Order: sequence, then structure tokens, then C-alpha cells
Amino acid sequence: QQQVRQSPQSLTVWEGETAILNCSYEDSTFDYFPWYWQFPRESPALLIAIRPVSNKKEDGRFTIFFNKREKKLSLHITDSQPGDSATYFCAATMSNYNVLYFGSGTKLTVEP
Amino acid sequence: GALVYQYPRRTICKSGTSMRMECQAVGFQATSVAWYRQSPQKTFELIALSTVNSAIKYEQNFTQEKFPISHPNLSFSSMTVLNAYLEDRGLYLCGARGGHFSNERLFFGHGTKLSVL
Repeated sequence: QQQVRQSPQSLTVWEGETAILNCSYEDSTFDYFPWYWQFPRESPALLIAIRPVSNKKEDGRFTIFFNKREKKLSLHITDSQPGDSATYFCAATMSNYNVLYFGSGTKLTVEP
Repeated sequence: GALVYQYPRRTICKSGTSMRMECQAVGFQATSVAWYRQSPQKTFELIALSTVNSAIKYEQNFTQEKFPISHPNLSFSSMTVLNAYLEDRGLYLCGARGGHFSNERLFFGHGTKLSVL
């Protein structure tokens, strides 16, 4: 059973638009949700993360919205830039555990 | 700062041969190292979790006989892919956590890209 699901698989937006990437999870004991981004030929890097104590986490143009009841979260990228084009992975874990469960990723393309 | 180095960055091996990859933590003590494989389709699979002074825990579909891991100290881990075949292709990532940094931070290496001929 896949612990973390992402949608859409790929997304194209125009420069300046808001990109919305969706994520859902199975295990209600997960309490830490990082998002990673990965550029071609690079390894994943931590972008932003949230804990369920809050339902929103903002860092510049990147915002995570979290819905604990529905076990869903989303990453919003406002004023998208071509440099934001990458594959975004949602992940989940229990904070006293050392393994991350990754979603299958959303490939974002921002067209100039 | 904390970094994780992996080497080699890329390797090619003949079908049926074995290759070893290494993961080194710099700037922190890697009390646990998780090895992942990212397939050419970009999906992640957890191979195993290695914690110093504990048994290595392999995920379903991965075995010690195929992917032996060594984690002898707080800065180094290695994994070997034995008898590599086409289905073993991919980017092998190690993620290390531990030390005095927040336990929510997992540092990834750049990965070892394995190609099998």
C-alpha cells in the first residue's frame, strides 16, 4: 500500500501563475511532512516542511496547506518562475523514526 | 554545515557483476543511514535502514544477500549491489540523520547512478 500519493503527475503553468501540487497520506501517525525538489541530474533537496501542529507553513513563494482531518496537504508556489521547474516530492514520516516515505512526484514545468 | 558525500557519482557495471557504493557524513554524526533507490521513472524505494549498533532493517523486496550494507561508524556507510542486473538500474541515494542537528533533518547525498550493461 502506497503510504504517500501525489497528484498531478505533471503540471505546466505560465510564469507568474500559482502552481498547486497535491499530496495525501495513509498513516495518521505521520507527524512530519517535508517537500523535496529535484532538478535534473541532481539529488533531492529539502524545500519546505510542516508538522500537524499548524495547518499552514510559508516560506517566501512556497506555502504548504495541511488538512489533518482529510490527511491531505498541498504545496502552493505563487508567482512561479522558470527556475522552479523541477520534480517535487511530498514525503511523510514519524519524527521519532528515521525513514521517509516518498510520493511519486509531480513534475512541474513553468513556461516563460 | 552538514553534508553527505556519495561515491562514485556514476558507475557502469556488466550484468551479473557487483559494485560497491559509499556514503560519508561530514559535519555531523550519522546515527542512522537510510538507503533508497530512485528508479528511472523517478519513484523512490526504501532499501534498508541502518542504525549504528543495531541490526540493519531491510524493506520487503530487498535482502541483505543482494544489498549488503556496512555501517561501521558514525560517519560512513557502504552498500554493495551484488549480481547487478537491468532491474537494479537507478540512482541510489543515502539519507543520513543524527548528531546534534534537529532530528527532523535528513541529509541526502548526490547519489550513485548505477547503469547495468
